[in-house]
Order: sequence, then structure tokens, then C-alpha cells
Amino acid sequence: AQTVTQSQPEMSVQEAETVTLSCTYDTSESDYYLFWYKQPPSRQMILVIRQEAYKQQNATENRFSVNFQKAAKSFSLKISDSQLGDAAMYFCAYCRDMEYGNKLVFGAGTILRVKS
Amino acid sequence: NAGVMQNPRHLVRRRGQEARLRCSPMKGHSHVYWYRQLPEEGLKFMVYLQKENIIDESGMPKERFSAEFPKEGPSILRIQQVVRGDSAAYFCASSLTAQNTEAFFGQGTRLTVV
Repeated sequence: AQTVTQSQPEMSVQEAETVTLSCTYDTSESDYYLFWYKQPPSRQMILVIRQEAYKQQNATENRFSVNFQKAAKSFSLKISDSQLGDAAMYFCAYCRDMEYGNKLVFGAGTILRVKS
Repeated sequence: NAGVMQNPRHLVRRRGQEARLRCSPMKGHSHVYWYRQLPEEGLKFMVYLQKENIIDESGMPKERFSAEFPKEGPSILRIQQVVRGDSAAYFCASSLTAQNTEAFFGQGTRLTVV
């Protein structure tokens, strides 16, 4: 069974600085998708960024970028120029080839605190 | 274009009662997924449905839990004879197709069993 591990229960960053959240996963599949979701106190799950495993190039969305290391099964999220609105719980998630649907396996989450 | 709508947002039930959680997917979406989030934990997959069909229920507890997605109307997650351990946030997500599309989440229903 696939598993996702987030080893940092909590992280802090100063406003305007950069922070990296770690994620590792375990799978025997070669094709899959990886995601980072943000969950603010409102509980709404918001997709931050997505990576297809067959793509070697790391995904980037504005201030958010990933470091995808397929051989190491590592998928970290880098947030640049951190803003107060980035404070939230962040979840790493894995999805097998979507031929099987959009069924996500989530990590336990990392709470990100942003200091002003 | 309304997003995924879940209701109620908060639900309190006494032990032994039934809980019904509703999810209206985004317009045009025919794939629905239910997840449960226990306190201080990540979301855990429960069930995947298409209209009138259960595709994957590998995450559903064997007893007391059921889900449906009828031809008309919202998807329903039903928990019979609730116990304190059922207290959690229940999230619904929907997608346009099964392949290669983003799943959009609702804001969840927080169930409290007293």
C-alpha cells in the first residue's frame, strides 16, 4: 500500500523568508501524481501545486515550487517570500495513476506558522 | 460557478443516532470522493462513487457506514448508530472525470458525537 510521510509536525518562518516542507512517499508504481494541499483554519482544502511523476521538471506556481526526487521518493515544497496568509496546515498527497480515479493518500500534515 | 457544497457544516449527534452528510459536487462533475479527517491527522480516503455506482469503498468501515450518489441529488454519507469515535471532519471532493483532472474539495462537515 502507498504511504506518505511528513516528518515535520510544525514549522515556523519569518515573513518574507523561505521555508521548505518535507514529504516522502512509498510506492511501487512508476506513474503517479503528487500534490501539496493547504488547509487554513476555515478547513477548506486548497490545491497548491501538483507534479506528474513522468515529468522531470519540477512544478512551480508563483511563490511555490517543489523539489521532486523520484529515485529518492521525495517531494518537498518550497515557499518563497512567505506571507502571513501562508499560515496553514500543509498536506502532501499521492495519487496512483488516475485511471483508478482521483483517490488521494495524504500525509499527516505540517503546521506552518508565519511570524511577522 | 458554485464549488463543492457540503451540508451541514456542523452536526451534533448523540450516541446511537444516525448522521447524514450531504455533498453536492461541482456542476458537471460526476465523480465524488469522501474522506475523513480525525483530529490532528491527515485525510483518509473512504469511498469513491460515480452516479449510481460505488467504484471503490476500500476505506469504508465495514459496519454502520454507507454512501450513495443517486442519479438526481447530492451524494449522501450515512453513519448509523454513531459512536464517539466517529467524531471527525468529513470531506467530499468531486472531479469532472477520473483521469488527469483536479479534485475540488468542499469545506467539510464536522461531526461531533456526544
